[in-house]
Parts: sequence; C-alpha cells; structure tokens
Amino acid sequence: DTAVSQTPKYLVTQMGNDKSIKCEQNLGHDTMYWYKQDSKKFLKIMFSYNNKELIINETVPNRFSPKSPDKAHLNLHINSLELGDSAVYFCASSQDWLAGGPGTDTQYFGPGTRLTVL
Amino acid sequence: KNEVEQSPQNLTAQEGEFITINCSYSVGISALHWLQQHPGGGIVSLFMLSSGKKKHGRLIATINIQEKHSSLHITASHPRDSAVYICAVVSPRGNYQLIWGAGTKLIIKP
Repeated sequence: DTAVSQTPKYLVTQMGNDKSIKCEQNLGHDTMYWYKQDSKKFLKIMFSYNNKELIINETVPNRFSPKSPDKAHLNLHINSLELGDSAVYFCASSQDWLAGGPGTDTQYFGPGTRLTVL
Repeated sequence: KNEVEQSPQNLTAQEGEFITINCSYSVGISALHWLQQHPGGGIVSLFMLSSGKKKHGRLIATINIQEKHSSLHITASHPRDSAVYICAVVSPRGNYQLIWGAGTKLIIKP
C-alpha cells in the first residue's frame, strides 16, 4: 500500500483559478508537510502540521492555505494562481515532532504533484 | 553562499565504483537528512543523522558535527543508484527551519 499519496499527479490550469492538491498518509504519523520544488530543484518547506496545528509557516503568499481535516490528511489550497506557482509540490509525513523539532524524524514523501499554470 | 553546500554537483561513474557525496553546512543543526530523488521525481528519505554513522544495505552515511560535514557513500554502485541525492539540515533557529542543499546528480554507467 502507498504510504503517502497525493492527487492529482499532474495539474494544468489557467492563471487566476483556485485549485487544491490532496495528500493522505496511512502511516499513522502525527506530522505532515508541504514542500515546493522550484525550477532549480531546490526544495522549500511551505507548511507543517502536527496534530492539526500549524507549526511551521514559512514566508509563503497567503494565497496558499493548508487544510487538515484529520491527522492523516493535509490538503493544499491555492487561490488566484499565478505563473510563478508552477512547480512540483511534495507532501511528506513523519512520526512525530520530536524534541529536536519538526524535521528531526525520517520523513516519507509523496510522489509529487506537477502544477503548471498557463 | 548557501548554508548547505553539496559536492560534487554532478558525478558520473562506472558500475561497481565506490561513490562519495559530500555535504557541508554553516549553521547549527539538530539533525541532517539524506534523500534520494529519482528521475521521475519521487523522493525517498534515506537517512536521518544527528551523530555518528548509519548503514543501510550499500549506503553509508556519516556526520561530523564539529566539522559541520556529512558524507553519503555508496558501495558497489549500480545503474539503479542513478538519481539526485539531496542533503537537508534541520536548523533549530526560529521555527526549526529545514535548509536544503541543491543536490548531487549521480549517473552510474553500466
């Protein structure tokens, strides 16, 4: 069974539209993350949720909003899409927020969602 | 200058060779991750280190906290090891930033 799944795998849309990317993990982890991989292949963390609370919120436009209906899901909503939002978005999860802070446990990544804004 | 530097940026080797990828960082960290990204884009977490050495199959990861340096080694390399290998550090400043290296593209030729 897939540990971390994302849908859709590919998303092509017009500027100004609102879209969502879904993420689900069946590992029983408490912490989930969203990353953006830019054209230079750098991975940048966007959000992290632990037990339904936002614990990291990097400087991202407020057009991006994470939604966590339960600890197995962390969806990413994007409003008023812009050309610069085109990227691959990765979801990940880890067991817990350990004493060292989020990211100090092994993270399991989803397959990624390639978003193209036209 | 990036806070996490990887070397080399690109590496091409023959099957069977011993591979070393290096990661140096300039910030205090609480942990370091090594990840593997396949040509199709999928990412696999290989190791999480806070000290010493870890081994999994043909992969070995080491970290020297004093020198702020980590290495990823691959023994008896195989074409299926071809991927981008990414080093990422957990910095406990602010809200625990995750700082990623640019990755090392590895190609193993048969």
